[in-house]
Amino acid sequence: DAGITQSPRHKVTETGTPVTLRCHQTENHRYMYWYRQDPGHGLRLIHYSYGVKDTDKGEVSDGYSVSRSKTEDFLLTLESATSSQTSVYFCAIRNDGSNQPQHFGDGTRLSIL
Amino acid sequence: SQELEQSPQSLIVQEGKNLTINCTSSKTLYGLYWYKQKYGEGLIFLMMLQKGGEEKSHEKITAKLDEKKQQSSLHITASQPSHAGIYLCGADKSNDYKLSFGAGTTVTVRA
Repeated sequence: DAGITQSPRHKVTETGTPVTLRCHQTENHRYMYWYRQDPGHGLRLIHYSYGVKDTDKGEVSDGYSVSRSKTEDFLLTLESATSSQTSVYFCAIRNDGSNQPQHFGDGTRLSIL
Repeated sequence: SQELEQSPQSLIVQEGKNLTINCTSSKTLYGLYWYKQKYGEGLIFLMMLQKGGEEKSHEKITAKLDEKKQQSSLHITASQPSHAGIYLCGADKSNDYKLSFGAGTTVTVRA
């Protein structure tokens, strides 16, 4: 495994509540990503980071925010969770260089009731 | 929107038989990545292709990228139960290391 820990692994919460998912890496990789995986859609990029305090939006960023105050941690926040955000969330990391793949964490299963 | 087309969506193969999965893009790709996922788990990196006509193999899995860098195939020879899972292709379309993924192909291997 690539030294990526996602927490929590499972969470059930109610609509309207704030939720924060954490991705922690021990590889000192520059790039970090948050994806969501839904049936029929594959993986879709939510936000990504290319360094400490450097983040940018992906294709499905509405309703999500991120922060990266340290190299090793990338946080994904749902300010006010909605049922449409029920999904499996994956974090990925990538080292610098042109021929480096992304490596994924084990995922967080989030259910919003 | 799904910009990468994967086919087939699912397949069932008899143990020992070969199988092929395809991944097609309407745009030229800077990189094509193959991953495998077991249900409820994360994605495991298999192979990365960057050059037109490139071919890579690992154990019984071979991946190819066509000359135009718009289509890739993943071929498994003499499939085993350990090959069962979901195979996803991911593509870097803008040379910015952000990947777009296909919807995945579910492979079932029957004994």
